[in-house]
Amino acid sequence: KNQVEQSPQSLIILEGKNCTLQCNYTVSPFSNLRWYKQDTGRGPVSLTIMTFSENTKSNGRYTATLDADTKQSSLHITASQLSDSASYICVVSPSGAGSYQLTFGKGTKLSVIP
Amino acid sequence: EAGVAQSPRYKIIEKRQSVAFWCNPISGHATLYWYQQILGQGPKLLIQFQNNGVVDDSQLPKDRFSAERLKGVDSTLKIQPAKLEDSAVYLCASSLAGRGQLNGYTFGSGTRLTVV
Repeated sequence: KNQVEQSPQSLIILEGKNCTLQCNYTVSPFSNLRWYKQDTGRGPVSLTIMTFSENTKSNGRYTATLDADTKQSSLHITASQLSDSASYICVVSPSGAGSYQLTFGKGTKLSVIP
Repeated sequence: EAGVAQSPRYKIIEKRQSVAFWCNPISGHATLYWYQQILGQGPKLLIQFQNNGVVDDSQLPKDRFSAERLKGVDSTLKIQPAKLEDSAVYLCASSLAGRGQLNGYTFGSGTRLTVV
């Protein structure tokens, strides 16, 4: 069964600090992995999309890494801001006939405090 | 470009009542999806349309949920009758192609449904 596990479930950090969120998946065969940011009461917004051949991708202060061999990804947030407070969702897509079946993680709820 | 539009933003109904949500996807996006997101969980796909045809509705509780996209553009999702466990955020998303593709895949802001 395709699964995406995220950790930690929640995280509180001080403004200005860095943090790293983890995503482990069992989706196979693998096509791509996406990280979304979801503010409370809003829909998810895409941060990064990575394919099998990509190891890292950045979007401003957000840097995602992918290890397709160990089926792990991380999202690193640098110099956190209060506006980074949100849920971060990892989404994995298989390749082939089942490519339409996205698997969502439950998300990591990040709180950035002054 | 304009995003995925959803309405209403919030809805509170009593159990056994009916409710409908509306979604207008990004112009030109042939594929439209409805997701249910229960608090603390990731979104769960309810139904996927390609133009006005259904691609996947395997997780749609068809005894009470229905959806249509008659003209291949905007879509409505209906619940009749609602149950307490239907309380969730209902997200609409659209894309140029299938979900597995890297083409633009955009979510709306969602409708938060509370069933009391």
